[in-house]
Amino acid sequence: EIVLTQSPGTLSLSPGERATLSCRASQSVSSSYLAWYQQKPGQAPRLLIYGASSRATGIPDRFSGSGSGTDFTLTISRLEPEDFAVYYCQQYGSSLYSFGQGTKLEIK
Amino acid sequence: QLQLQESGPGLVKPSETLSLTCTVSGGSISSSSYYWGWIRQPPGKGLEWIGSIYYSGSTYYNPSLKSRVTISVDTSKNQFSLKLSSVTAADTAVYYCARVRRFHNWFDPWGQGTLVTVSS
Repeated sequence: EIVLTQSPGTLSLSPGERATLSCRASQSVSSSYLAWYQQKPGQAPRLLIYGASSRATGIPDRFSGSGSGTDFTLTISRLEPEDFAVYYCQQYGSSLYSFGQGTKLEIK
Repeated sequence: QLQLQESGPGLVKPSETLSLTCTVSGGSISSSSYYWGWIRQPPGKGLEWIGSIYYSGSTYYNPSLKSRVTISVDTSKNQFSLKLSSVTAADTAVYYCARVRRFHNWFDPWGQGTLVTVSS
């Protein structure tokens, strides 16, 4: 089973700043199978990025994904107030899915 | 626009079986492009994939839950269902259903989720 470790656990930033969230896999993950989700309190997760770097429909271009192998990054170029939430990475491999433990992005 | 809606009891007794149904609207569950999945989230914790099913009935389960999980599909009703047996308090969670993009394996969209509490 591939374990995804996200860092930091909590990120405190101000609106307008740049956010960089990390997702590290315990073994190599196909970039095609790496996704990022945003979850706000009381809501279901929402797909942001798939295939490591492709934005889902309707996702603003301030969100971008990058990485390969075992290291992946979600970047939010300029934080808007609505971006403060919890972010999860997710991978697929060998017919199994796993999620990272999440990074909470909070207002500083 | 495709929508998914979970339904089922919000309270289940320990050792009993949790049963949930996901109703798909705005699209066909029989699409060859998608699987259908269940994911859960204990209160205040992260996401755990439970299992997925194809419209033909092919299933994939999380090994950690496999002995207790059954996922089935009813194409005539555009629904798929989850059964989790021998539940304990550790199974208390919000349960989500979601569409899974075949060959790419991301989850989108998700249902709103339903909280299931295991308690006597």
